[in-house]
Amino acid sequence: GAVVSQHPSWVICKSGTSVKIECRSLDFQATTMFWYRQFPKQSLMLMATSNEGSKATYEQGVEKDKFLINHASLTLSTLTVTSAHPEDSSFYICSARTGTWYNEQFFGPGTRLTVL
Amino acid sequence: DAKTTQPTSMDCAEGRAANLPCNHSTISGNEYVYWYRQIHSQGPQYIIHGLKNNETNEMASLIITEDRKSSTLILPHATLRDTAVYYCIVKGGSEKLVFGKGTKLTVNP
Repeated sequence: GAVVSQHPSWVICKSGTSVKIECRSLDFQATTMFWYRQFPKQSLMLMATSNEGSKATYEQGVEKDKFLINHASLTLSTLTVTSAHPEDSSFYICSARTGTWYNEQFFGPGTRLTVL
Repeated sequence: DAKTTQPTSMDCAEGRAANLPCNHSTISGNEYVYWYRQIHSQGPQYIIHGLKNNETNEMASLIITEDRKSSTLILPHATLRDTAVYYCIVKGGSEKLVFGKGTKLTVNP
């Protein structure tokens, strides 16, 4: 159990276009979802936290107008990278957690974004 | 800022136990110790977590010192597939998971 999926697994787009990444909890309801970004040879950096039905909370330095997060249901969150540029190329990973205290977070397999 | 300190890298022979240390000297009473690992180009995988008692599951054992200032993750019989970056994370129940640099474990044949 506790499977989190992401779609697509990789995407290549042209500079200036927008890209949407989906994150789904397949066998549990996720009251909270997290989005991370990972550049090559670096650790995961938390971008934002979203709770179902409310606005996402962004970490310092993350542009909320550029990285749009929607958590419309207990099993789906989306991250849209708007007007993507080459510096947005990265590995984006989502994570989901139930409402139970001290419950571990389950991570998706990640989405590799390459902006040309 | 990460609340833990881990060695940058470690090597282990296949079939032997891998012991990964983690220092968390500023841990507070309500914070748990979590271990995750990340195999190259994949999402992190949960391994184990504990508060103060030693814990064991099908993947690993977690040994926490009595003062809780350090812990050790033990992979009893390491395989080549255990090669990954291992993250030791300290957090309270509702806090976010903040990743440090972790330990790159290489299991050698």
